[in-house]
Amino acid sequence: KAGVTQTPRYLIKTRGQQVTLSCSPISGHRSVSWYQQTPGQGLQFLFEYFSETQRNKGNFPGRFSGRQFSNSRSEMNVSTLELGDSALYLCASSTQGSGELFFGEGSRLTVL
Amino acid sequence: AQSVTQPDIHITVSEGASLELRCNYSYGATPYLFWYVQSPGQGLQLLLKYFSGDTLVQGIKGFEAEFKRSQSSFNLRKPSVHWSDAAEYFCAVGAGSGNTPLVFGKGTRLSVIA
Repeated sequence: KAGVTQTPRYLIKTRGQQVTLSCSPISGHRSVSWYQQTPGQGLQFLFEYFSETQRNKGNFPGRFSGRQFSNSRSEMNVSTLELGDSALYLCASSTQGSGELFFGEGSRLTVL
Repeated sequence: AQSVTQPDIHITVSEGASLELRCNYSYGATPYLFWYVQSPGQGLQLLLKYFSGDTLVQGIKGFEAEFKRSQSSFNLRKPSVHWSDAAEYFCAVGAGSGNTPLVFGKGTRLSVIA
């Protein structure tokens, strides 16, 4: 069974631009969560989607948004990029009620 | 709200030595507890998990962890460390319902020396 796939793996943007990251969950997993990982803050929860509905949201500004499609694939978008948005963005999928996350390899975003 | 503390930021052990990584959690009910490992530039891989039952759980790569409710701890152990175990280790706690996000500790970086 294929794992969680995230694209792109690496990207460089400049301040003020926007970025869209994509995540394809494990087949059959309907829940997708996103985390931001930075050296200073560690892993911080962004949001979780289940059956195309946002079920939980972390403490991030409105510049961070996401969505989930009917095939469970998910995207997250960051608008008006700031230097502090440089991070590894991790997507994880899970089955309903399992509590166990399966992570992708992440998208490394660098904002210049 | 749940929280996780990993007191050790960085640990160095000799290859073949035993290892224990500490994890303390705060949660009002019975927690779901996890240990994940992350190699440089990679995502997180699940090592083991505790949901209920036997408080000593076995994981992959020879790791085990013990849940101690009285100490709010879930320490990770390995009897003999291999050089390939060098990585960052994260403890996480969840509510168990699957409807609330996992909260992660800040991680412990493990270095292995010859």
